[in-house]
Amino acid sequence: DIQMTQSPSSLSASVGDRVTITCRASQDIRSDLGWYQQQPGRAPKRLIYTASSLQSGVSSRFSGSGSGTEFTLTISGLQPEDFTIYYCLQYNSYPFTFGQGTKLEIK
Amino acid sequence: EVQLVQSGAEVKKPGESLKISCKDSGNNFGSHWIDWVRQMPGKGLEWMGSIYPADSDTRYSPSFQGQVTISADKSINTAYLQWSSLKASDTAMYYCARHYGGWSLDSWGQGTLVTVSS
Repeated sequence: DIQMTQSPSSLSASVGDRVTITCRASQDIRSDLGWYQQQPGRAPKRLIYTASSLQSGVSSRFSGSGSGTEFTLTISGLQPEDFTIYYCLQYNSYPFTFGQGTKLEIK
Repeated sequence: EVQLVQSGAEVKKPGESLKISCKDSGNNFGSHWIDWVRQMPGKGLEWMGSIYPADSDTRYSPSFQGQVTISADKSINTAYLQWSSLKASDTAMYYCARHYGGWSLDSWGQGTLVTVSS
């Protein structure tokens, strides 16, 4: 199975800041990586697919990059609604695997 | 717009059986996979498995193989997640989601909360 190591597990930042979250895959997954945002009590929402493609309707403050084994999610100009939890997901091969999650908190 | 609608919350006792559902209101039920994802209280997301309703091809995470059964009835655009004997540790929110082959999960159901307690 492919292991996804997501870091950091938590992150403090201020409104307006730029932050980066990283996911590392235990083997090459090409660009088969998605990023998800989960608000409290809600289902996850896809932000990014194929590592860098922005989901329709998602703010351009979100961007993704990477391929192979290292990937990043960058959020620019943090807004109050961005302070929640983020997950990466590899879908290169079964079983699909999520990262452990990153909780973004207001400083 | 694709909409996955899940069955309501369940409260069960250990040892009981349960089948929860995920109905796809779209027109392409046979052309994509339906996934199940577990989220235990206060924890992260865990991919459990996936089914392709067109031919019932099913894939499981090793962590869930033998613990649950994923099935689908394409005549009513519905996928299922089933337990034969629940444990307290099955208490969690369960989400269904959709993906097309080679693509990531894009649409999600609202979740079904399963509580197992004596």
